[in-house]
Amino acid sequence: SQQGEEDPQALSIQEGENATMNCSYKTSINNLQWYRQNSGRGLVHLILIRSNEREKHSGRLRVTLDTSKKSSSLLITASRAADTASYFCATDGEGYSTLTFGKGTMLLVSP
Amino acid sequence: EADIYQTPRYLVIGTGKKITLECSQTMGHDKMYWYQQDPGMELHLIHYSYGVNSTEKGDLSSESTVSRIRTEHFPLTLESARPSHTSQYLCASSDGGYNEQFFGPGTRLTVL
Repeated sequence: SQQGEEDPQALSIQEGENATMNCSYKTSINNLQWYRQNSGRGLVHLILIRSNEREKHSGRLRVTLDTSKKSSSLLITASRAADTASYFCATDGEGYSTLTFGKGTMLLVSP
Repeated sequence: EADIYQTPRYLVIGTGKKITLECSQTMGHDKMYWYQQDPGMELHLIHYSYGVNSTEKGDLSSESTVSRIRTEHFPLTLESARPSHTSQYLCASSDGGYNEQFFGPGTRLTVL
């Protein structure tokens, strides 16, 4: 069964605005990761948050994790046209050996 | 430069052909993965490897096979391609730890 579910499926904003994407998952995790995928390309790792962390920052990215609600959010501040991509959350299982990806949120940032 | 490579990037072939999708990484990672992704959809893990001579099936049933004879090389083979195999195939590697994965650019396969 699918572990991660992103919400919304698609998001369209103007440059300079903030973009928030959410991810829900079903089972216990060791860590949760966010990836970006530009059209037709492979995924790029953005940020990892461990199960004992509640918030993490990296540049314009802010990730939160609520293990009690089994949910995470990714905030991109001051969006740029270059942020246009699909964003996926990924959760691990026991032993860290594999990841399960959600369906992703497609973000469109217009100039 | 440490990286992960996939060839070919695009492949269009006829039904029944045998194909091998290549994946190589120069990062020295032990773990490698193959995912299948349809446009706009999630990634499905089809094979993974913990290291040389280790291969495991993923969550998605697949008619493909893999081998891991060298650390840096993890090819995926389809013995007889069918239109249902049309998809994008992504290769990834990780050094273990927290399993942050590094992805190749993908191979977009079309089977006619």
